[in-house]
Amino acid sequence: GAGVSQSPSNKVTEKGKDVELRCDPISGHTALYWYRQRLGQGLEFLIYFQGNSAPDKSGLPSDRFSAERTGESVSTLTIQRTQQEDSAVYLCASSFRQGGQPQHFGDGTRLSIL
Amino acid sequence: RKEVEQDPGPFNVPEGATVAFNCTYSNSASQSFFWYRQDCRKEPKLLMSVYSSGNEDGRFTAQLNRASQYISLLIRDSKLSDSATYLCVVIVTGNQFYFGTGTSLTVIP
Repeated sequence: GAGVSQSPSNKVTEKGKDVELRCDPISGHTALYWYRQRLGQGLEFLIYFQGNSAPDKSGLPSDRFSAERTGESVSTLTIQRTQQEDSAVYLCASSFRQGGQPQHFGDGTRLSIL
Repeated sequence: RKEVEQDPGPFNVPEGATVAFNCTYSNSASQSFFWYRQDCRKEPKLLMSVYSSGNEDGRFTAQLNRASQYISLLIRDSKLSDSATYLCVVIVTGNQFYFGTGTSLTVIP
């Protein structure tokens, strides 16, 4: 399809394990965003990329979280040594360019830490 | 003060009713505005952009009031399928964008 694609759709893992979440943005979209949404809560901004650069990483909750983007396309969000409070839906969005354009979201990855 | 504020609701309205939500923003330099809809356990989906002149899409009307720094979303003739959370988004500059926490709407038969 032509939309934002995220994988896996669901991930269940044990506390302490590392997880990697993937986002394929809409082709041609130079801006890419990661959000976290806990059940019943609003969107929590994590990080955005303009091209392959992340100008603002201040939204990442801790140093266990990291993200990268390559080829101005795919992005991965990595969570190391997962904790139960990391359980949430992780949403990725992309936009044609950063600033002024609406963001289009993927279906999200539902992460559950046991 | 939060950059963007929305009344979380919930708004419970009967089918056929007209309902309006507001979203206030604090930065007068804000440039772009959008409304999103988010169904339970689903991703946010773009509902409509908000233009200075206001815009309408079927039963939905979005307006911008720069003087009072708020945007509004009006839904006429509410349908059961309109039940969702409605999020406003305000973009100040390229790297300053803010999502509201959402307003919950339930349309009752």
